[in-house]
Amino acid sequence: SQTIHQWPATLVQPVGSPLSLECTVEGTSNPNLYWYRQAAGRGLQLLFYSVGIGQISSEVPQNLSASRPQDRQFILSSKKLLLSDSGFYLCAAHRLAEETQYFGPGTRLLVL
Amino acid sequence: AQSVTQLGSHVSVSEGALVLLRCNYSSSVPPYLFWYVQYPNQGLQLLLKYTSAATLVKGINGFEAEFKKSETSFHLTKPSAHMSDAAEYFCAVSGTNDYKLSFGAGTTVTVRA
Repeated sequence: SQTIHQWPATLVQPVGSPLSLECTVEGTSNPNLYWYRQAAGRGLQLLFYSVGIGQISSEVPQNLSASRPQDRQFILSSKKLLLSDSGFYLCAAHRLAEETQYFGPGTRLLVL
Repeated sequence: AQSVTQLGSHVSVSEGALVLLRCNYSSSVPPYLFWYVQYPNQGLQLLLKYTSAATLVKGINGFEAEFKKSETSFHLTKPSAHMSDAAEYFCAVSGTNDYKLSFGAGTTVTVRA
């Protein structure tokens, strides 16, 4: 079965500091991977998705970037965090046989 | 492009009463539709999905949803609410190529004893 890991679980960072959130997937190969952000009052927003190593599509212009250095690793980064980057970040993997996305446990980021 | 509208940001029901959460979608292609549940500080858990098979879909925890193309709806129901159903529920739609999900704003369910 497929398992999605995210770390850290929670993070408090000052404005202007860098960010690196990691997502790894077990139990599947070559999955489509997704980063979503859930911010207060703004629902769930797709940030990036990837169909393979080194292939990243950005959905919204923002202060964040994503990378996929390995088949089952998806990283969300920022060089300088903004207050507006605070939120709950969710990684998801698409299971093709079930035509369904499954989600990781999430990382809560607070930028102060 | 696909989008979803969830009617009602908060629903309060008594324990044992019917739970009805409304979802209407817009899609230029035959959609895939999903309901997810989120408990506080957790990720999203799949409740059920419609992917062009049976229009009445049964999911986990006693939930079911019916796809009605004529009404562009995919409402979620549960005959008898339980205290453990208190959570936030999201309806989502995707296309059949890139599988990107577009979510509704979510509905928070409160269950009264």
